[in-house]
Amino acid sequence: AQSVAQPEDQVNVAEGNPLTVKCTYSVSGNPYLFWYVQYPNRGLQFLLKYITGDNLVKGSYGFEAEFNKSQTSFHLKKPSALVSDSALYFCAVRPYSSNTGKLIFGQGTTLQVKP
Amino acid sequence: SQTIHQWPATLVQPVGSPLSLECTVEGTSNPNLYWYRQAAGRGLQLLFYSVGIGQISSEVPQNLSASRPQDRQFILSSKKLLLSDSGFYLCAWSRGQAGEQYFGPGTRLTVT
Repeated sequence: AQSVAQPEDQVNVAEGNPLTVKCTYSVSGNPYLFWYVQYPNRGLQFLLKYITGDNLVKGSYGFEAEFNKSQTSFHLKKPSALVSDSALYFCAVRPYSSNTGKLIFGQGTTLQVKP
Repeated sequence: SQTIHQWPATLVQPVGSPLSLECTVEGTSNPNLYWYRQAAGRGLQLLFYSVGIGQISSEVPQNLSASRPQDRQFILSSKKLLLSDSGFYLCAWSRGQAGEQYFGPGTRLTVT
């Protein structure tokens, strides 16, 4: 079965420190991978995606993600966290074979950045 | 640029009442459209998706239905709401096979 796992319900980090939000996936074939952020009572905002090419993908608000095919992971990173980065983060995957655009979402990780 | 709208923003309805939530997309044509429900601020559950006018696929059998009467309009409906229908409903659109999904602002539905 195709799935996405975000093993941490919550990640706590101090402002100014680097942050990592983990994501692993299981799909058949090559995946398209995405990260989204959600602030309270808002829709999801697209941060970045991996389609092909360079394994390090840069996105909005200083976020980046590293695709690791051997570990089937796509961890979200930021060199220096801001308090305003505190939100709910979702990893998502689309199998290459899909022609509907449907995404498989992880359960989400709450990021708490403390001043 | 593309914009996605949802209304209403919040809704409180009694059990057994009907429901109609609307989603419209501007600035693109022939998008893929999606309805999600999010419970308790966590995981997203895909309810319906549509790749064209009148083409609706249901992901989860329940008392909800969806329709796409126009290219950029997606409607979520129910004839009789249940308490379990409460949640945050999100509409999204995407283009093509590799395109990311863009989400609307959501509708908070409370069934009392």
